[in-house]
Amino acid sequence: GAGVSQSPRYKVAKRGQDVALRCDPISGHVSLFWYQQALGQGPEFLTYFQNEAQLDKSGLPSDRFFAERPEGSVSTLKIQRTQQEDSAVYLCASSIDRGNSPLHFGNGTRLTVT
Amino acid sequence: GESVGLHLPTLSVQEGDNSIINCAYSNSASDYFIWYKQESGKGPQFIIDIRSNMDKRQGQRVTVLLNKTVKHLSLQIAATQPGDSAVYFCAEYNQGGKLIFGQGTELSVKP
Repeated sequence: GAGVSQSPRYKVAKRGQDVALRCDPISGHVSLFWYQQALGQGPEFLTYFQNEAQLDKSGLPSDRFFAERPEGSVSTLKIQRTQQEDSAVYLCASSIDRGNSPLHFGNGTRLTVT
Repeated sequence: GESVGLHLPTLSVQEGDNSIINCAYSNSASDYFIWYKQESGKGPQFIIDIRSNMDKRQGQRVTVLLNKTVKHLSLQIAATQPGDSAVYFCAEYNQGGKLIFGQGTELSVKP
């Protein structure tokens, strides 16, 4: 079966532009997570959905970051007015449930803000 | 605050040798731990997990050991192969249901 799919694979944005990153989780997975990974670091939690409900957004670094999952499947992470410090790999992961099963990760979107 | 950290940032081993990657965690209430392997340009890949009611779990060529007394986790890879070269992360579920990652150890396998 297909794994977690993320698009685009690479994104270059000029500072101040808005970007939208897409995640297609594994079919049937209830939980969906977004992580940010800086070069040489471990992934850092951004936000979590259970079906369409965003239950935890405590890791979003600023109000320029917004995530949605309107139908409980595909999710979009949007970053408004991008800044250079937003440059990172954005990873999406899904799991059957929360806190009790492994997360399955996509290959991420590498965002470079120039 | 909570943290999951690794003792060594890099590890170099000879092909065929066994590798041991260590991890310390600080939240004694954590009850589920996962090891991930991340290759360049890819997302973290699940290797093996362990729950706090166990102290050892084995997979194919990998073994995870959990010592709750000293809050220590290790990943052992038997007969390390060049394809095992990657960054390895331990991760811990905290009480809020978030998976927290450590810094990572880069494993380099010399042929």
